Amino acid sequence: QSVLTQPPSASGTPGQRVTISCSGSSSNIGSNYVYWYQQLPGTAPKLLIYRNNQRPSGVPDRFSGSKSGTSASLAISGLRSEDEADYYCAAWDDSLSGKVFGTGTKVTVL
Amino acid sequence: EVQLIESGGGLVKPGGSLRLSCAASGFSFNNYDMNWVRQAPGKGLEWVSSISSSGAYKYYADSVKGRFTISRDNAKNSLYLQMNSLRAEDTAVYYCVRDDYGGPGVWGQGTLVTVSS
Repeated sequence: QSVLTQPPSASGTPGQRVTISCSGSSSNIGSNYVYWYQQLPGTAPKLLIYRNNQRPSGVPDRFSGSKSGTSASLAISGLRSEDEADYYCAAWDDSLSGKVFGTGTKVTVL
Repeated sequence: EVQLIESGGGLVKPGGSLRLSCAASGFSFNNYDMNWVRQAPGKGLEWVSSISSSGAYKYYADSVKGRFTISRDNAKNSLYLQMNSLRAEDTAVYYCVRDDYGGPGVWGQGTLVTVSS
């Protein structure tokens, strides 16, 4: 079972801002970097945010990440229809000596 | 262009074995840590195993420890996952993933493993 908790769903209308939370503990988010992934239907996940708030080249600046204590957030501003996807957070867990993923959040554009 | 191409998936009976391969191209494979991540049908992502760039360090999820073995051949630019004592709950798409910036970065397209009698 996942040790990082995300809301199962989030939604917004085009142009709105949507925020997804990722709750962990001191052994993962609290002491390590957070990564975010976007998985479009039927495709492999794609890295959106690395090291809490950095975007790889090619990722629009509409996507932003933040971290505070044992929680992290992904914000999507100016929501577009092509943002409809599943989003996952991930981090290293010191107690498990392994990587952990969040439970995943399905974003729907209304 | 960076490419990760998985192979070796298929249908196997419970208790059986399977070896997955991942062929890497377009980058210096021996400079990167690598991972296997899986996704059961309709479910979320689950980290399976990681291996350091030299192969010296290996890590496993508790769910596969003692049954799966990760390895790599830097001369062949290839990553492997030997899966033994397979169970129905191992049924999933298995992704080969390159570490970037300290975490899973570039993903392959995945290979489906089905464990069923």
